[in-house]
This record gives sequence, structure tokens and C-alpha cells, in this order.
Amino acid sequence: NAGVTQTPKFRVLKTGQSMTLLCAQDMNHEYMYWYRQDPGMGLRLIHYSVGEGTTAKGEVPDGYNVSRLKKQNFLLGLESAAPSQTSVYFCASSFPLQGIYEQYFGPGTRLTVT
Amino acid sequence: AQSVTQPDIHITVSEGASLELRCNYSYGATPYLFWYVQSPGQGLQLLLKYFSGDTLVQGIKGFEAEFKRSQSSFNLRKPSVHWSDAAEYFCAGQNSGYALNFGKGTSLLVTP
Repeated sequence: NAGVTQTPKFRVLKTGQSMTLLCAQDMNHEYMYWYRQDPGMGLRLIHYSVGEGTTAKGEVPDGYNVSRLKKQNFLLGLESAAPSQTSVYFCASSFPLQGIYEQYFGPGTRLTVT
Repeated sequence: AQSVTQPDIHITVSEGASLELRCNYSYGATPYLFWYVQSPGQGLQLLLKYFSGDTLVQGIKGFEAEFKRSQSSFNLRKPSVHWSDAAEYFCAGQNSGYALNFGKGTSLLVTP
């Protein structure tokens, strides 16, 4: 049982390049999330999904797209990377238990855009 | 707006001393609240959560937190800190959807 995994762990992009971050979970969770973490800002929600084939915008969605074609995978795409997207990206998954969505986090992807 | 605030950006504690990390929330109803810990270069690990009932919640690694409605607080405590507790700590509240609102974090430094 690997929990939540993220690939890649590190990546350096040039401005304007594109890339996709992959999140996978083996806990059969319905809900998945992408956050970004910046110094002094805590974690901010980018996009989330409440089930296969569904996605929704979070607090800071601009410049990102997501897809949830399979229940276990949640992809985060950057179509044209900008230096402002330099950050650590965390994926999480959850399931409701008595109305509580306790989230399980992946190890993160550190992205640098030059 | 629903939010969580951690007033302290950095906290320094001597090893063996007690610890209290502050968290204040702003929610219309009683929120579901969480404390997570992040060790350097790692993901977030859940320490404990509160959703109802007993206002003193026990978590992993010897941590506990007390929910105080009158003060809109959910402070994290540990009676005796170990050097391995040095990490970033995040308080979070579940919003009206399915996601969490995170505080900006408190960085804990433990000195010998």
C-alpha cells in the first residue's frame, strides 16, 4: 500500500515550457486535490476532484489545468510555465467519514521555473 | 470567510520544555479542525483532528490539542519536546466544500 505518490520529485523548466505532474493513490479515495506551497503562504488549493471525470477550481487555479480520467490518478498540467509557478506541489486524497474529509498527502514535487 | 490563522511564524523551544502552538479559526459553525506536521523535505502527516465531542484531542507522537469555542482556538500542545519534533506545523479547517483551509504554518526550532 503506497498511499499517495507523486512524479516527478523534482523538475526544472524554462519559461514557456509545459509539463504534467502525476498523482496516484491506491486507497480508492473519491476526492483528490492539488495544492501549492510557497514560503510564508501555507498550502493553497489549486484544483480538486470529487470523483472520476470531475474537476473543480480551487483558490489559485490560474495557469493550471487538471484531469481525472481514472479514479486513482489526478494530473496537474502547466501549459506555459512562468517563474511565479516555482513552488512545491502537493497532491492529496480523501474520503468522507462522518462528514470529515481527512486528507492524505503525497511527498511533493519541487518545481523551479527559470 | 472561513479561515485559519497561526499567529506565530517561528517558535523556539528548548528540548524537554513544553510546547504550545496557537491556531485561531473563523467559521460560522463548529468546524472540523486538523493539525499536520511537515518534516523538512517531506509531505504532510496528520497529527490529530477534532470534529465533535471531547474538546481535548489526543494525537500521535505525544501531541494533544484543545478546542475552545469561546476563544475560537485550537492550540496544539506537547508536555516535553524532543529534538525530532523540529518541523513545520500547520493548522487546517475543513471548509464548506471538501477541501481544507490551511494556516500559514509555524516553524518549530528545538535547541539543545
